[in-house]
Amino acid sequence: DAGVIQSPRHEVTEMGQEVTLRCKPISGHDYLFWYRQTMMRGLELLIYFNNNVPIDDSGMPEDRFSAKMPNASFSTLKIQPSEPRDSAVYFCASSYPPLGYTEAFFGQGTRLTVV
Amino acid sequence: RKEVEQDPGPFNVPEGATVAFNCTYSNSASQSFFWYRQDCRKEPKLLMSVYSSGNEDGRFTAQLNRASQYISLLIRDSKLSDSATYLCVVNEDSNYQLIWGAGTKLIIKP
Repeated sequence: DAGVIQSPRHEVTEMGQEVTLRCKPISGHDYLFWYRQTMMRGLELLIYFNNNVPIDDSGMPEDRFSAKMPNASFSTLKIQPSEPRDSAVYFCASSYPPLGYTEAFFGQGTRLTVV
Repeated sequence: RKEVEQDPGPFNVPEGATVAFNCTYSNSASQSFFWYRQDCRKEPKLLMSVYSSGNEDGRFTAQLNRASQYISLLIRDSKLSDSATYLCVVNEDSNYQLIWGAGTKLIIKP
């Protein structure tokens, strides 16, 4: 298996533009997680899905952020409109079974810069 | 108070030395504990789980102290390749979130 695949690896966009980040989890993993990492705040959980259903989105910073998982092999995180403070590395991770009991496998991340 | 706290470092350690760092957690009901390693500009990867009885994996030893609510990581005979940020992770079984520490940066010098 190729592991968790994220795209794009790098994204530079102007403030106000829509940004869409993509993730393909490891086949067979029931749980998918979106994280954001910054120097100031460390690694933060934004949202997670179980069997394509959003379970906890309390970490989503505001309405500008939305996430979907239309099927077991694909998820998106969208920011609209983007702001400079959204600049961070966004990681997608998957696991089976739940994270507390097994390893979380991370994608290589998307480095987002909003100018 | 942060739920999971780590000394950010950096710890500058000569090659071959032994280094240890701790991580404290605030929720006494926490059930699962892990150490992840993150190399510069890379994703976090599981280093080892931390069991109640303590566990060892080669040069790495992890310990859990429930009474004082901390976990520790000991690295013996440190290698240049051990240079990384070590993230302490705690899971509260009431949900499936992992609570992440901010990480301890380790630099091994020749």
